[in-house]
Amino acid sequence: SQKIEQNSEALNIQEGKTATLTCNYTNYSPAYLQWYRQDPGRGPVFLLLIRENEKEKRKERLKVTFDTTLKQSLFHITASQPADSATYLCALPTDSWGKLQFGAGTQVVVTP
Amino acid sequence: ETGVTQSPTHLIKTRGQQVTLRCSSQSGHNTVSWYQQALGQGPQFIFQYYREEENGRGNFPPRFSGLQFPNYSSELNVNALELDDSALYLCASSLPQGDNSPLHFGNGTRLTVT
Repeated sequence: SQKIEQNSEALNIQEGKTATLTCNYTNYSPAYLQWYRQDPGRGPVFLLLIRENEKEKRKERLKVTFDTTLKQSLFHITASQPADSATYLCALPTDSWGKLQFGAGTQVVVTP
Repeated sequence: ETGVTQSPTHLIKTRGQQVTLRCSSQSGHNTVSWYQQALGQGPQFIFQYYREEENGRGNFPPRFSGLQFPNYSSELNVNALELDDSALYLCASSLPQGDNSPLHFGNGTRLTVT
């Protein structure tokens, strides 16, 4: 069956440093991968989509890489700020209608 | 533009009861999906509606059912509630533009079954 693994341990990081999160998947050949941010008590918010033919995507201080050989995506937050503290979810499509399977998410805590 | 809104925000029910959760999709979005999120887990796909028809279902029993209305709003109904149904229920709307339209989530309904 298809599986998505994200680091279950919270990532504690000092303000200004780069946070790097990992998303590994098995039994998938996804056409794209998405990353979402979720704050406590709120719904996930879409951040970035990267397609299988793209190696890297950037949006402001965020960078995503996608290695279909390793079956892995890395999500980087550069110059992290306390406001970046949240849970970050990766998601892969299960069909062509945009239905998504999500990882369990990784919590990021940025301390001043 | 109006985002996805869900009601109620919180709900407490007793085992065996039935519940209806509501969702208004984002303006212009005609596809609605429902997800269940248990504590500490990622959202799990329940089902999707497109043009008032169910368009795919996850691994959930038939006591989970839904509706989509002509204005694209949607309902999730759960019958014979069980304790394990306690979770955050998320509604997400999207455009049916192939397979890479991002999901726009509401803030969910927190359901507690006692």
